[in-house]
Amino acid sequence: GAGVSQSPSNKVTEKGKDVELRCDPISGHTALYWYRQSLGQGLEFLIYFQGNSAPDKSGLPSDRFSAERTGGSVSTLTIQRTQQEDSAVYLCASSLGLVEQFFGPGTRLTVL
Amino acid sequence: GQQVMQIPQYQHVQEGEDFTTYCNSSTTLSNIQWYKQRPGGHPVFLIQLVKSGEVKKQKRLTFQFGEAKKNSSLHITATQTTDVGTYFCAGLGGGGKLIFGQGTELSVKP
Repeated sequence: GAGVSQSPSNKVTEKGKDVELRCDPISGHTALYWYRQSLGQGLEFLIYFQGNSAPDKSGLPSDRFSAERTGGSVSTLTIQRTQQEDSAVYLCASSLGLVEQFFGPGTRLTVL
Repeated sequence: GQQVMQIPQYQHVQEGEDFTTYCNSSTTLSNIQWYKQRPGGHPVFLIQLVKSGEVKKQKRLTFQFGEAKKNSSLHITATQTTDVGTYFCAGLGGGGKLIFGQGTELSVKP
């Protein structure tokens, strides 16, 4: 079946603008994760959704970042008042329980 | 908070040489997973280790989970150019959250 999809694949925005990044997880996967990866760096955990439980937001770097997951499926990561340091690849992953995570191709965000 | 440290950060080898990356956690892990990210790609799951002292092999790759479930290693025998990429370990801690190491970037010179 289809894997994890993310849109857009690339986003260029101006400093101060808001952006929305979308993730479509694999159907039936109960867990959904957002990560941020700066050039040549590791994976920085942002937020984790598991079923109907309250999300783990412990990785969100500031209150400009928020995420929601509607109907236990699609998720949107919103960054308000973008800054240049927000430039990175934003990766979404989904999993069925506490096993392997399937990653999407990522959204490359560039803040000018 | 829980941390997973991975070394080395970079490793450059000649094709045919062996390669090892090490992963250490500040706390005991429920399990550990390994991922590979090719240049320009996204992380792809390789394997999961659950049991204390577990060793698993995938062709030229050998994965180990320490007895105390706080460390792990990935060893590649006789590297090939197709092994190029960044290898990440990820430990499953409390709350079902995976904590990723910083990764080891492997380059292989033909």
